[in-house]
Amino acid sequence: GAGVSQSPRYKVAKRGQDVALRCDPISGHVSLFWYQQALGQGPEFLTYFQNEAQLDKSGLPSDRFFAERPEGSVSTLKIQRTQQEDSAVYLCASSPDGNQPQHFGDGTRLSIL
Amino acid sequence: AQTVTQSQPEMSVQEAETVTLSCTYDTSESDYYLFWYKQPPSRQMILVIRQEAYKQQNATENRFSVNFQKAAKSFSLKISDSQLGDAAMYFCAYGTYKYIFGTGTRLKVLA
Repeated sequence: GAGVSQSPRYKVAKRGQDVALRCDPISGHVSLFWYQQALGQGPEFLTYFQNEAQLDKSGLPSDRFFAERPEGSVSTLKIQRTQQEDSAVYLCASSPDGNQPQHFGDGTRLSIL
Repeated sequence: AQTVTQSQPEMSVQEAETVTLSCTYDTSESDYYLFWYKQPPSRQMILVIRQEAYKQQNATENRFSVNFQKAAKSFSLKISDSQLGDAAMYFCAYGTYKYIFGTGTRLKVLA
């Protein structure tokens, strides 16, 4: 596709459920990033992949958050045992390499009830 | 701590006029990039302009230009000839591969 594609666009889950958010980066982009954007705030870095290697996961808020990119293209962000504070927009971005500007998707708005 | 401060939560500008959005940051790194991103209600973050910290010349992209003062760690965005389509949240950010974002400035453009 022409841009970064994220699905679903909206996700509503009950507290305690597990959720999976998908990111399809721009074709050929080596680097992939996940950010969390709380209401009224700027995005905050979660994790970074170069191809299938997760090079930085320092922003993941707890061990309930897990990200993978097994074949170096599509990535999934999984949140286990969701809590209300997980409610946010989750943005995915990709770039040709780590030093090029990041191109963002439209995000997934996650609401935990 | 690495931080980005955007001290103007909201700004308004008359259509066709010029507006400047402020940003300061704090980092101990010597080589990094600075960015302004625009986020309309659709949520997609759109790159407006990028500045390489080692370059003294201010970046320009059509109606958008920056005033980069490295010693002061200041990176303001000037929008000339403002258009209704410029209305959005504007985020300042810096980093190399990991971006640190400010809290944003909401820009309103008045017809």
